[in-house]
Amino acid sequence: NAGVTQTPKFRVLKTGQSMTLLCAQDMNHEYMYWYRQDPGMGLRLIHYSVGEGTTAKGEVPDGYNVSRLKKQNFLLGLESAAPSQTSVYFCASVTGTGAYEQYFGPGTRLTVT
Amino acid sequence: AQSVAQPEDQVNVAEGNPLTVKCTYSVSGNPYLFWYVQYPNRGLQFLLKYITGDNLVKGSYGFEAEFNKSQTSFHLKKPSALVSDSALYFCAVRPTSGTYKYIFGTGTRLKVLA
Repeated sequence: NAGVTQTPKFRVLKTGQSMTLLCAQDMNHEYMYWYRQDPGMGLRLIHYSVGEGTTAKGEVPDGYNVSRLKKQNFLLGLESAAPSQTSVYFCASVTGTGAYEQYFGPGTRLTVT
Repeated sequence: AQSVAQPEDQVNVAEGNPLTVKCTYSVSGNPYLFWYVQYPNRGLQFLLKYITGDNLVKGSYGFEAEFNKSQTSFHLKKPSALVSDSALYFCAVRPTSGTYKYIFGTGTRLKVLA
């Protein structure tokens, strides 16, 4: 039982390049989330999903897209990376019934130069 | 707007002393409340939660938290701090109506001094 995993762990992009971050969970959780963590700003919600095939915008969605084609995977895409997207990205998942606490992945550190 | 406040960026405490990390929230209704801990270069780990019931909840690693509805607070506590408790602590709130989103505070860095 790996919990929540994120790929890759580190990445350096040049401005304008694109990339996809993968989040995978093996707990059969319904809800999945993408956050970014910046110093002094806590965690800010980018996008989330309440089930396979559904996604919704969070607090800071601009410049990002997501897809949840399979229940266990939640992909975060950057179509044209900007230096302002330099951050640490965390994925989290929650079971759809009862427990409510989020399980977090180890994070992806992204630098855009 | 709904929000969570952690008024202290950093809390310093001597090893063996009690510690408190403060959290207040501005969310309507009866939200679910959480504390998470983050060690360097790691993801957040769940510590404890308040859903309903007793105002004092116990969690992992000897931590507990006290829910105060009238003050809309959910302070994290531990009777005797350890150096290994040094980390970044986040308070989070999930409103119980109309959303699946969680609102996080900005985090409090706890430093336990030997």
